[in-house]
Amino acid sequence: NAGVTQTPKFQVLKTGQSMTLQCAQDMNHNSMYWYRQDPGMGLRLIYYSASEGTTDKGEVPNGYNVSRLNKREFSLRLESAAPSQTSVYFCASRRLAGEYNEQFFGPGTRLTVL
Amino acid sequence: DQQVKQNSPSLSVQEGRISILNCDYTNSMFDYFLWYKKYPAEGPTFLISISSIKDKNEDGRFTVFLNKSAKHLSLHIVPSQPGDSAVYFCAASLKTSYDKVIFGPGTSLSVIP
Repeated sequence: NAGVTQTPKFQVLKTGQSMTLQCAQDMNHNSMYWYRQDPGMGLRLIYYSASEGTTDKGEVPNGYNVSRLNKREFSLRLESAAPSQTSVYFCASRRLAGEYNEQFFGPGTRLTVL
Repeated sequence: DQQVKQNSPSLSVQEGRISILNCDYTNSMFDYFLWYKKYPAEGPTFLISISSIKDKNEDGRFTVFLNKSAKHLSLHIVPSQPGDSAVYFCAASLKTSYDKVIFGPGTSLSVIP
């Protein structure tokens, strides 16, 4: 039982390049999330998916797209990377939407955009 | 403007003593609060939570206190252990949107042996 896994762990991009961050969970959770963490800012929600087939914008969605491929997988795409997107990205999942329960986080992807 | 504030970026405590981490929030509609712990190069892990209908929740060495009138919560760790050294994030959510959890900037706790 791996929990939440993310690939890659590290990535360096040049401005304008594109890439997809992959996330998968094996806990049969319904909801999945993408956050970014920047120094002094805490974690900020980029996009979330309350259930398979649905996605919604979070606090900082500009410059990102997401795909909820199936119940297990939720990917984050940067179409044209910018230096402002240098950050650590965390994927998370939660058992049920619409109820009080905690999120489980992956180990993170450290992205640098030059 | 941050809705969840942790005004102490860092805190150092002697092993065996009490650690008190503070958190303030601005939105009186928040009704569920959580604390997460994060080690370097790992994702955050859930520690403890409290609903707005309570003023205290305890789990082993960890206790969270909520003061709704002051819009303030605190996490107490007693006794503190070196393994507690980590970054602690306070988080809050609204009943109308449990998915949109707002995180504070974090407090880095160092427990000195």
